[in-house]
Amino acid sequence: AQKITQTQPGMFVQEKEAVTLDCTYDTSDPSYGLFWYKQPSSGEMIFLIYQGSYDQQNATEGRYSLNFQKARKSANLVISASQLGDSAMYFCAMRGHYGGSQGNLIFGKGTKLSVKP
Amino acid sequence: DVKVTQSSRYLVKRTGEKVFLECVQDMDHENMFWYRQDPGLGLRLIYFSYDVKMKEKGDIPEGYSVSREKKERFSLILESASTNQTSMYLCASGLEGSSYNEQFFGPGTRLTVL
Repeated sequence: AQKITQTQPGMFVQEKEAVTLDCTYDTSDPSYGLFWYKQPSSGEMIFLIYQGSYDQQNATEGRYSLNFQKARKSANLVISASQLGDSAMYFCAMRGHYGGSQGNLIFGKGTKLSVKP
Repeated sequence: DVKVTQSSRYLVKRTGEKVFLECVQDMDHENMFWYRQDPGLGLRLIYFSYDVKMKEKGDIPEGYSVSREKKERFSLILESASTNQTSMYLCASGLEGSSYNEQFFGPGTRLTVL
């Protein structure tokens, strides 16, 4: 069965420093996609970054990068130069299999990041 | 920009009431999803739909039903609300057929059942 594990319920980081949020996954599929979402206190889910299992390079989007280690089945999110607005819940997710290719997302339990001034 | 809207941000209902949560997307997406979010549990899939009038159960469908009469609208129905259905409900939509299938989420509805 597919599973996403986020082992850090909460983390603190000093403003302007980098932080890594951990994510490990389990799947038997040869092809899969991994996502990170941000959820501020207002509740909306904001898509941050995507990594395909066959992508040759680690994904990057602005201050966000994904440290993808396929052999270890890990897809850690790295946020560089943290800002106060980065304080939020962060969810790692993987494409699921309900309905075949129409897959839902399977989410981890999330990591609450708090950025200190 | 893709927009997914939900009918209410906050809702308070009584045990036994029938509750309708509405979700509308404006990007002509085939797929729509209802998730439930609880602290420490992440998001769990309740139901999803891949076409008008088509639906599939997710991980936790008990106590819920859905309706998709039009492509842009996906409704979640609590036939007889119970206190253990107090939660945050998130609707999402996405394109069919691509491995890069980003889902776009609505703002969520915080439902309290008394």
